[in-house]
Parts: sequence; C-alpha cells; structure tokens
Amino acid sequence: DGGITQSPKYLFRKEGQNVTLSCEQNLNHDAMYWYRQDPGQGLRLIYYSQIVNDFQKGDIAEGYSVSREKKESFPLTVTSAQKNPTAFYLCASSIDGTGSYNEQFFGPGTRLTVL
Amino acid sequence: AQSVTQLDSQVPVFEEAPVELRCNYSSSVSVYLFWYVQYPNQGLQLLLKYLSGSTLVKGINGFEAEFNKSQTSFHLRKPSVHISDTAEYFCAVRGTQGGSEKLVFGKGTKLTVNP
Repeated sequence: DGGITQSPKYLFRKEGQNVTLSCEQNLNHDAMYWYRQDPGQGLRLIYYSQIVNDFQKGDIAEGYSVSREKKESFPLTVTSAQKNPTAFYLCASSIDGTGSYNEQFFGPGTRLTVL
Repeated sequence: AQSVTQLDSQVPVFEEAPVELRCNYSSSVSVYLFWYVQYPNQGLQLLLKYLSGSTLVKGINGFEAEFNKSQTSFHLRKPSVHISDTAEYFCAVRGTQGGSEKLVFGKGTKLTVNP
C-alpha cells in the first residue's frame, strides 16, 4: 500500500529536549510538507521541500529544523528554542511541488506533548 | 496572499438533516479550492476540489460544494448527514500560478451530528 507514515503517533518529551518526528512516504512524491495544528487554529506550514536536498521555511519555522537527504524521508526536529511545542504535527506530500496543481496527501499525524 | 475564513467554528445538526459549512476566501488571483475532512486524531482526507470547469463539485461521502467567484465562496453541503460525518472540516485555497503557491487553510469547522 502506498502512503505516508508518521511515527510515533504519540510522543512525550521533557521541556528543553530536542525531539525528531519521522515522516516517510512511498508515493514517489517530490514535494513534502510539515504542518502544525493547534485547536481552533487550522493548519500552519512549518517547512516544505520541493526536491531532495532543498527545503524552505514556511510561516512558522522558528524553533524547528528539517532535512531532506532522501526523497522518501522528511524528518522534523522540534528544538528547545520552540517556545510552545505541544501540538499535533502533520506531514504531507504531493507529486510535484512546482507544478500548477498538486493535491497534498496527509499522514496520520504525531501528537507531541512537552511536559 | 490568500486567506480563508470558515464562518462557523462549530455546527451541530441532527442526523438526516441537511448541512452547509461555509467558506470564504480572499485572493487577488485565480485559485484552486479544497475541502478536507479530519476524524479525531487522524490526518486529513480530501473530500473534494475545484480546479476549473463546472462550479458544482461532487466529492466523497455524498458531499458537494459550489464555487461562487463573485462572492468568493466555496460552501460545502450535504443533503442528509449521518452520525459518521462527525468530524472537523477544513477549507483550503491555493493560487494557480505554480511552484511558489502554498496551500492556505481555514481554521476548521467542527461538525457534530446528533441522533
């Protein structure tokens, strides 16, 4: 089955620790995205990558970092600089981030709670 | 830049009643429009999309939406809802100009279907 996997589904960390969220896709999509979801706030774009070894900041990149060393993987690190990291994180991918239209497919999400 | 307003944060309805979830967008360019559904603690699933052509778009699970360019609206409707339609619904907009365009989400509408 093709799709997007995110692990773990639930993650707990102590304040001040960095944590890395996994996102893997086997859809052969070029573009991948990370969103943060807070209650009543909708989805906000953190980072996106249109091609391997390249990525751009989204609207709320401060306190986060990413890498895109492989086409199928786009891990997100939540650093200690992120002031309010507790949230639901969603990864998505699309066939081609530079095309005129690209439907985004979403993973199941990771709920991060910082204690 | 685009923006999306979902006019109702919560919509309670009774089973088998009709429902309309409202979405207005703001954009100075032509757009693609989407409705996604999110069940609790899951990722987003595409319900339907408007790219071009007929302004009435039919999606999965009996939902439909109508694109109204003059009113910059893309309201989602279902003539008879089921308990299983209880979820959060997100409207999203994307410009048609290609690679630099991002998907912008509304803040969501929680639909609760009561027996």
